[in-house]
Amino acid sequence: AQSVTQPDIHITVSEGASLELRCNYSYGATPYLFWYVQSPGQGLQLLLKYFSGDTLVQGIKGFEAEFKRSQSSFNLRKPSVHWSDAAEYFCAVGPDSGYSTLTFGKGTMLLVSP
Amino acid sequence: DTEVTQTPKHLVMGMTNKKSLKCEQHMGHRAMYWYKQKAKKPPELMFVYSYEKLSINESVPSRFSPECPNSSLLNLHLHALQPEDSALYLCASKPGGGGANVLTFGAGSRLTVL
Repeated sequence: AQSVTQPDIHITVSEGASLELRCNYSYGATPYLFWYVQSPGQGLQLLLKYFSGDTLVQGIKGFEAEFKRSQSSFNLRKPSVHWSDAAEYFCAVGPDSGYSTLTFGKGTMLLVSP
Repeated sequence: DTEVTQTPKHLVMGMTNKKSLKCEQHMGHRAMYWYKQKAKKPPELMFVYSYEKLSINESVPSRFSPECPNSSLLNLHLHALQPEDSALYLCASKPGGGGANVLTFGAGSRLTVL
């Protein structure tokens, strides 16, 4: 069975500091990995995705993530956090195609302090 | 147009009411999804429509009735709901067939059942 673990429920980062959100997955085949962001009361916005190729993927809003197969991880990073980055972040894993659902992690709430 | 539009944004209903949530996209996507999201939780898949046909029903109670009248429109009909059905209901879409599993989400409809 596939699963996603986001070990941090909350993270507080000072504005301007770097950020790393952790994501570990379990998946029986080649994983296709996603990071979504959700602002309060809003839908989910895709930040970035990994299907294949270069293991360091760039996304929107200055985010990047690195796929490490040996560690079953897909951590999200940003070098300098802005107050507007405060939101809930979800890591997800799923098949590359078809209608099987994505499996989401429980999310990490990012708080940005001034 | 790269959006998924959901209406209404907020809905309050009694347990005996009948109401509907609406989702619309004009991206030519042929797969559309309903998700339910409780506070502080990840989205949970409810239904998937592919080419206007129901392809996945995640054992959702019959008080939720989906409908896909055409390729651009997805409805969720609500009847005799319970207070525990209060949640954010998210619609999503993707290019149909075996296309890549990259979902575009709407902003959601916040449902409160009294």
